[in-house]
Amino acid sequence: KAGVTQTPRYLIKTRGQQVTLSCSPISGHRSVSWYQQTPGQGLQFLFEYFSETQRNKGNFPGRFSGRQFSNSRSEMNVSTLELGDSALYLCASSIQTGTGVSNYGYTFGSGTRLTVV
Amino acid sequence: AQSVTQLDSHVSVSEGTPVLLRCNYSSSYSPSLFWYVQHPNKGLQLLLKYTSAATLVKGINGFEAEFKKSETSFHLTKPSAHMSDAAEYFCVVSSSTGGGNKLTFGTGTQLKVEL
Repeated sequence: KAGVTQTPRYLIKTRGQQVTLSCSPISGHRSVSWYQQTPGQGLQFLFEYFSETQRNKGNFPGRFSGRQFSNSRSEMNVSTLELGDSALYLCASSIQTGTGVSNYGYTFGSGTRLTVV
Repeated sequence: AQSVTQLDSHVSVSEGTPVLLRCNYSSSYSPSLFWYVQHPNKGLQLLLKYTSAATLVKGINGFEAEFKKSETSFHLTKPSAHMSDAAEYFCVVSSSTGGGNKLTFGTGTQLKVEL
């Protein structure tokens, strides 16, 4: 059973540019979440999608956006990149379907390491 | 709001000795708690989860954790450390907000295993 696949693994972008990251969840998982990991702030929740709808959003500026397609694949986009956006971006999928607290846990991908110069 | 506090940022043990990584949680209702491990330049791997069933939870690679409501703790233990256990460990709580679900991570504990 294939795991969560994130592409690309590494990205280098210049300040002011925009970037799109991709995530393919485990087959059958309809819930996809995104997290940002930095040395200073740790792991922070960006957003969660389920059946092409954003169900939850973290405390990030509007430059961070995402979407989910009908096959559950998800993309996140960051516009007008800043140096502080340099981070490891992790995608996670879950078989959880309801809106309650997750009892199933999430399976994480290996992440996309974004460097903004 | 749900939160977790990992009490040690770094823990160092000798190979073959017990491991104890401490986590306290704060929750207004019965929480779902997890431990994840992250090896260098890798994603996060689920070690174990507590979801209001048995209070002693067994996970992969010989790890286990005990949920203690009276102490609001969910400490991770392993009887005998192995070199391959060296990694960063995260205590995590799941919460439901705004119709969706999210995970809130602790600040992590870096485990070092020495010969």
